[in-house]
Amino acid sequence: DGGITQSPKYLFRKEGQNVTLSCEQNLNHDAMYWYRQDPGQGLRLIYYSQIVNDFQKGDIAEGYSVSREKKESFPLTVTSAQKNPTAFYLCASSSMGQGVYNEQFFGPGTRLTVL
Amino acid sequence: AQSVAQPEDQVNVAEGNPLTVKCTYSVSGNPYLFWYVQYPNRGLQFLLKYITGDNLVKGSYGFEAEFNKSQTSFHLKKPSALVSDSALYFCAVRAPYQTGANNLFFGTGTRLTVIP
Repeated sequence: DGGITQSPKYLFRKEGQNVTLSCEQNLNHDAMYWYRQDPGQGLRLIYYSQIVNDFQKGDIAEGYSVSREKKESFPLTVTSAQKNPTAFYLCASSSMGQGVYNEQFFGPGTRLTVL
Repeated sequence: AQSVAQPEDQVNVAEGNPLTVKCTYSVSGNPYLFWYVQYPNRGLQFLLKYITGDNLVKGSYGFEAEFNKSQTSFHLKKPSALVSDSALYFCAVRAPYQTGANNLFFGTGTRLTVIP
């Protein structure tokens, strides 16, 4: 899983609670991403960030929030507004450069379950 | 809009036989295509990519993929399957509107089972 760590591996949330998933990378990558994985649906992009203190919504950003205060870190908060948060969450990073389409490196994932 | 189709949810192959995992894409402009593999409860691992040049791309663990522009396909292949190749495979295409971060649009995945 490269130089990307995610914690915790498993997370249980009660309805109405906000929870934060951690993602840290030591690859010196500029770009970081959060995906949600559901069975039979592949990966869907939640948020991404190209630079510190800047981030953009992906395809399914509603009910989620992120921050990018450090290059190495890109935490994801699942808020109570997310109605169906039970899923496997994957963080990724990639280097950037004009004309260079670099593969993404993925963390091991966090499985979130709503009780 | 871009899209990726993996028409087979499940592929079964006997150990030692060649394997193919299919992927077709729809994207305006030049496609940038990727294959990833996922083992249970793990993140995705990069296998190979096509950006430009030779249509046959070789990647990790003996996998290769052939880019076919006329058929808009990027099928993953391996000459001789191993039991350890059993996993979930994802095809992905780069979102064409992106100019910075390399956002990818993923297919729904194909579960490969190699039978001993």
